[in-house]
Amino acid sequence: EDKVVQSPLSLVVHEGDTVTLNCSYEVTNFRSLLWYKQEKKAPTFLFMLTSSGIEKKSGRLSSILDKKELFSILNITATQTGDSAIYLCAVEGRRGSTLGRLYFGRGTQLTVWP
Amino acid sequence: KAGVTQTPRYLIKTRGQQVTLSCSPISGHRSVSWYQQTPGQGLQFLFEYFSETQRNKGNFPGRFSGRQFSNSRSEMNVSTLELGDSALYLCASRQGTGAMYEQYFGPGTRLTVT
Repeated sequence: EDKVVQSPLSLVVHEGDTVTLNCSYEVTNFRSLLWYKQEKKAPTFLFMLTSSGIEKKSGRLSSILDKKELFSILNITATQTGDSAIYLCAVEGRRGSTLGRLYFGRGTQLTVWP
Repeated sequence: KAGVTQTPRYLIKTRGQQVTLSCSPISGHRSVSWYQQTPGQGLQFLFEYFSETQRNKGNFPGRFSGRQFSNSRSEMNVSTLELGDSALYLCASRQGTGAMYEQYFGPGTRLTVT
C-alpha cells in the first residue's frame, strides 16, 4: 500500500531554534516529492524534489531527498513565529493508479513561541 | 489572476443528507483535483478531472462522486452523509496534467455532519 509518513506529528520550539521535519515514503512509480506549508486553509507549495542528494533552498528553508532510503527532510533555521503552520509532505506517482495524484503524510504541526 | 475558489466555505448537514461542493479553478486551468483533509487521516485524494473526464480516483466509497463542466468548474457530491464525512474538502487546479508543483489549492469547504 502506498503511504507517506511524517515525523514528528507535532513540534514546539522557540524563536531562533532550528528544526528538522522528516518524511518517509513507500509509493510505487515515484515521480517527485513535494513540501507544502498550510497556515489557515490552502496548502502553499514550498519545494519539489526529484533527484537524490540535491538540496533545494529558499531563504531559511531547505530540503533534500534520499531516493535510496526513501525519505526527505525539511530544515528550517532561525525559526520565527510566522513559521508556525502545518508542514505537509506529498509524493507524486508517475503511472497507473498513482498518476496525477498526491499521497500526503499527516503533516507536522510546528508551533514557534516568541 | 484570481485563485482557486470554493463554495460554500462552511456547511453544516445532518446524517443521511447529501451535499454538493463547488470549485472554480484558476482561469486557463483544465485539471481539478479534490482532497479530503481530516485530523486522523490527513489529506486523502478523492479524484481528478481533466477536460470533463475523471482521470483518477482514490479509495473512497461510491457515495463520493464528482464531475467537471466544459468551463472546467467542478463539483463533488456526497450522498447519504455520515459523521465521518466531517472534514475540510480542498480542491486544487493546474493547467494541464504536468508537474504537480504547478497545482494550486483553494481555501477549502469545511463540512460538518451532525
